[in-house]
Amino acid sequence: GAVVSQHPSWVICKSGTSVKIECRSLDFQATTMFWYRQFPKQSLMLMATSNEGSKATYEQGVEKDKFLINHASLTLSTLTVTSAHPEDSSFYICSASPPYILGTESEQYFGPGTRLTVT
Amino acid sequence: AQSVTQLDSQVPVFEEAPVELRCNYSSSVSVYLFWYVQYPNQGLQLLLKYLSGSTLVKGINGFEAEFNKSQTSFHLRKPSVHISDTAEYFCAASIQGAQKLVFGQGTRLTINP
Repeated sequence: GAVVSQHPSWVICKSGTSVKIECRSLDFQATTMFWYRQFPKQSLMLMATSNEGSKATYEQGVEKDKFLINHASLTLSTLTVTSAHPEDSSFYICSASPPYILGTESEQYFGPGTRLTVT
Repeated sequence: AQSVTQLDSQVPVFEEAPVELRCNYSSSVSVYLFWYVQYPNQGLQLLLKYLSGSTLVKGINGFEAEFNKSQTSFHLRKPSVHISDTAEYFCAASIQGAQKLVFGQGTRLTINP
């Protein structure tokens, strides 16, 4: 149980174009989803927290107009990188939190990641 | 603000040897602590977590970790490693009552035959 998928797993796009990444919780409803960015051989940096039906909360330094997040349902959140540039190339990972049950505090289930390359 | 520090960026060990991956945290409030493993080009998988109670926590794949409040540490251990344990390991913390995770820098565990 608790499987999170991401699509696509990798994408190459040209500079100036936009790309959308989907994150789905396959067997549970996720009221909260998170988007992370990971540079090569570095840790995960939280970009934003996404709650179903409300606006995402972005971390300091993350451009909300560049990284558009939509959490349209309890099983789907999308990240759109608008007007992508080579410096946006990275590994993007989403995670989802299941409904609270005692013992699952702060638990997040991670997707397999999406590698974005902007040429 | 809370922070997590993994003291070793890389740890090479021989197969069947014991290993310890170190993690220290700082926080002015109580935290939950986690260890995740990341295999190449994959997402993160939860190894174990400490929420409360017994300070020795056992996880999957033979790993365990001990919460030490006085030393603000949560070191990960395995008595005998296998080639398949080669991966990146991340320590993470969250403030009790919050959902956000703060990750350490990661430790690359390399197992040599």
